[in-house]
Amino acid sequence: EPEVTQTPSHQVTQMGQEVILRCVPISNHLYFYWYRQILGQKVEFLVSFYNNEISEKSEIFDDQFSVERPDGSNFTLKIRSTKLEDSAMYFCASRFGSSSGNTIYFGEGSWLTVV
Amino acid sequence: GESVGLHLPTLSVQEGDNSIINCAYSNSASDYFIWYKQESGKGPQFIIDIRSNMDKRQGQRVTVLLNKTVKHLSLQIAATQPGDSAVYFCAENKDTDKLIFGTGTRLQVFP
Repeated sequence: EPEVTQTPSHQVTQMGQEVILRCVPISNHLYFYWYRQILGQKVEFLVSFYNNEISEKSEIFDDQFSVERPDGSNFTLKIRSTKLEDSAMYFCASRFGSSSGNTIYFGEGSWLTVV
Repeated sequence: GESVGLHLPTLSVQEGDNSIINCAYSNSASDYFIWYKQESGKGPQFIIDIRSNMDKRQGQRVTVLLNKTVKHLSLQIAATQPGDSAVYFCAENKDTDKLIFGTGTRLQVFP
């Protein structure tokens, strides 16, 4: 079964450093997402991406964050100048179509620890 | 101030029993609802979905019920198995391109 894959599975970084989280969405999917989950809390939407541009973003997704689809398969989340409160599990997700009823599939997540 | 993690409601059931997990959603205009299962250290896994023009949908061992009048969603798992132990989230979607997740319920299955 096709799946969303994410790397790294776990990254530890020092406060102030930049991190890039990578994702390979399901191959025929057109809509891509990043969500995050702080330990013990619910999953929160960060950003959606379609046709090489951001289609929607949350209040969390400020100038510290950026996304990119550098080639036909990868979708990245860059976090600049990381803060302690950025420590969380970051999930990439994708779906084929945008209309309700198109299932969103999630990757296994990248666990980011900022120290 | 210090952020505190949410205390998840927990449902404990015996193996073989049926489980019912409930969720109250927030937006009366939401038109698509999904149940996800999340095992420890893993990503949300799609279980079943339902559109707002339906009130019931069945899958393999799972049934989702939607009550739009009271904005309530439930997930029924038949013959619960140890492998069903996980946190279950409902999520809602309306026109926008994002899912809004609920706080989750931890299902514990004991022999």
